[in-house]
Amino acid sequence: AQKITQTQPGMFVQEKEAVTLDCTYDTSDPSYGLFWYKQPSSGEMIFLIYQGSYDQQNATEGRYSLNFQKARKSANLVISASQLGDSAMYFCAMRVDFNKFYFGSGTKLNVKP
Amino acid sequence: GAVVSQHPSWVICKSGTSVKIECRSLDFQATTMFWYRQFPKQSLMLMATSNEGSKATYEQGVEKDKFLINHASLTLSTLTVTSAHPEDSSFYICSAARDRGLQETQYFGPGTRLLVL
Repeated sequence: AQKITQTQPGMFVQEKEAVTLDCTYDTSDPSYGLFWYKQPSSGEMIFLIYQGSYDQQNATEGRYSLNFQKARKSANLVISASQLGDSAMYFCAMRVDFNKFYFGSGTKLNVKP
Repeated sequence: GAVVSQHPSWVICKSGTSVKIECRSLDFQATTMFWYRQFPKQSLMLMATSNEGSKATYEQGVEKDKFLINHASLTLSTLTVTSAHPEDSSFYICSAARDRGLQETQYFGPGTRLLVL
């Protein structure tokens, strides 16, 4: 069975500090893609970063990086130098089938000034 | 980046009426489009996946006669909520993927908030 687990319903971080949002996944497929999305209060889902199951290096996109530990089946999102605009819901997702993305339950991040 | 539009962004309707939501990929051709439903403070729930020119694949528990999906072209998919009732009130989000590769992300529309009175 395919499953994504986000165990942190809510997180607080001080502005300018780094924060790690946890994501673990479960699949028996050797090929998969892992994604992180941000959903501000407006509701629109924004793609942040992608990691492939065969990628040797951790993905990075600006202030976002993905801490990919394949043996532990974890794909944590690290946001460096948090900004007030980073306050939002964050969803981890997995694609193992071209017809479906599996989503975690999300983590609400609050950045404090 | 890839842009997906969704229309309308807000709709309020009376119980028993049908509501059509359009999802368009504006600057790319989408081999696959997805329809999600999201309740407040919850994750996205996949309703169905549609591929251009073929019937939509519905998730278990989603009534295909209630939620009609048409994927008429590589840039347009529609979701029609037939005979809407208050329990259908929700946030509906569409997304589109350019191809079927596992590395390909989906690009989301801005969502449609449906309120059935």
